[in-house]
Amino acid sequence: QKEVEQNSGPLSVPEGAIASLNCTYSDRGSQSFFWYRQYSGKSPELIMFIYSNGDKEDGRFTAQLNKASQYVSLLIRDSQPSDSATYLCAVVLNNAGNMLTFGGGTRLMVKP
Amino acid sequence: NAGVTQTPKFQVLKTGQSMTLQCAQDMNHNSMYWYRQDPGMGLRLIYYSASEGTTDKGEVPNGYNVSRLNKREFSLRLESAAPSQTSVYFCASSEALAGSYNEQFFGPGTRLTVL
Repeated sequence: QKEVEQNSGPLSVPEGAIASLNCTYSDRGSQSFFWYRQYSGKSPELIMFIYSNGDKEDGRFTAQLNKASQYVSLLIRDSQPSDSATYLCAVVLNNAGNMLTFGGGTRLMVKP
Repeated sequence: NAGVTQTPKFQVLKTGQSMTLQCAQDMNHNSMYWYRQDPGMGLRLIYYSASEGTTDKGEVPNGYNVSRLNKREFSLRLESAAPSQTSVYFCASSEALAGSYNEQFFGPGTRLTVL
């Protein structure tokens, strides 16, 4: 079992819809969770981080964390074609210091 | 500020050749990282340097060596390239202060092909 798992997609949503991206992790002691966006041929960029159970909102993005079920999700409201990218979930596993473990990424396609 | 820079952007090697990928950051960050990215596998950590003068292995260190030349620069060396090392290589850096979140800033990547 991979330590951080994501559905590779592609996840296709129409413009204006809510895109829901999910990530599960195996280490129950993990404390910090990050969502990176990566456009094709570009480097990853951080869009959200979350440490506590519950929801965290930033503009059209909402990160949701459920430590009991060991999953973290990213919701993108009012999806735009410019949101089409690969979304990478990253976790600081327990006792991993400052190291991130990445999932394989979910490719999102927003169709006009 | 340039952020994190990497050279070269593209490279083609023959099996058995050696090369060094260069990375530099101008954000005064303590920690630096080397990742490789293969299709569908996300980013996998090769080596990292938590602070100047220290380096540690990550998930996939075999076939690679690193040097933290100073606080700004962190290089990755392939001594004898193999086709399995064909990948996109990303360098990243972070402040990595205790109690702060660990945003890593990535360079533009080096696309390496080993024939």
